[in-house]
Amino acid sequence: KNEVEQSPQNLTAQEGEFITINCSYSVGISALHWLQQHPGGGIVSLFMLSSGKKKHGRLIATINIQEKHSSLHITASHPRDSAVYICAVSPNTGNQFYFGTGTSLTVIP
Amino acid sequence: EAQVTQNPRYLITVTGKKLTVTCSQNMNHEYMSWYRQDPGLGLRQIYYSMNVEVTDKGDVPEGYKVSRKEKRNFPLILESPSPNQTSLYFCASSFFSGGEQYFGPGTRLTVT
Repeated sequence: KNEVEQSPQNLTAQEGEFITINCSYSVGISALHWLQQHPGGGIVSLFMLSSGKKKHGRLIATINIQEKHSSLHITASHPRDSAVYICAVSPNTGNQFYFGTGTSLTVIP
Repeated sequence: EAQVTQNPRYLITVTGKKLTVTCSQNMNHEYMSWYRQDPGLGLRQIYYSMNVEVTDKGDVPEGYKVSRKEKRNFPLILESPSPNQTSLYFCASSFFSGGEQYFGPGTRLTVT
């Protein structure tokens, strides 16, 4: 049983393209998180969402609580955006985190 | 600088030899957690701690122990490591359960 599903698993884009990564979850949540992991392993938090939309530079994250769905958009993609993007949820019951298996993004110059 | 530190970063060991991976944070976070990351399986939670002396199991706690004697430290103990514990391990902390997490740099463990 996987509480968090991401799509696509792998994504290759040309520099400048608009990118969308999707996340669906099956549990009630207190928050949804988008994480970025570059080759070499370090993980950083990009967004924490409980409703609506957040924007940081070229990255936009949206969430629809009723549909249990979130999207991460990257506008004007750049090779430095190449990384694995991970969706995670904090259920509203319990204190655990559940993670998707990640989307590996490669942006070609 | 606000950070989560883990040591060691790389470790190769043999089956059955007890080891400890340390984790420390300097942000006065209440919540700390350990994860393992395996290809195709993603990140899975091993143990977490809501506060000092309060720990609980995550999804994959078998073969691991933790303790939280001080707020800043949350070591992961493998009493008798086995090859199926070969993995990339991350420690993370946040102000509260469900909050934005700050991850350590990771510890790559190989058990032969």
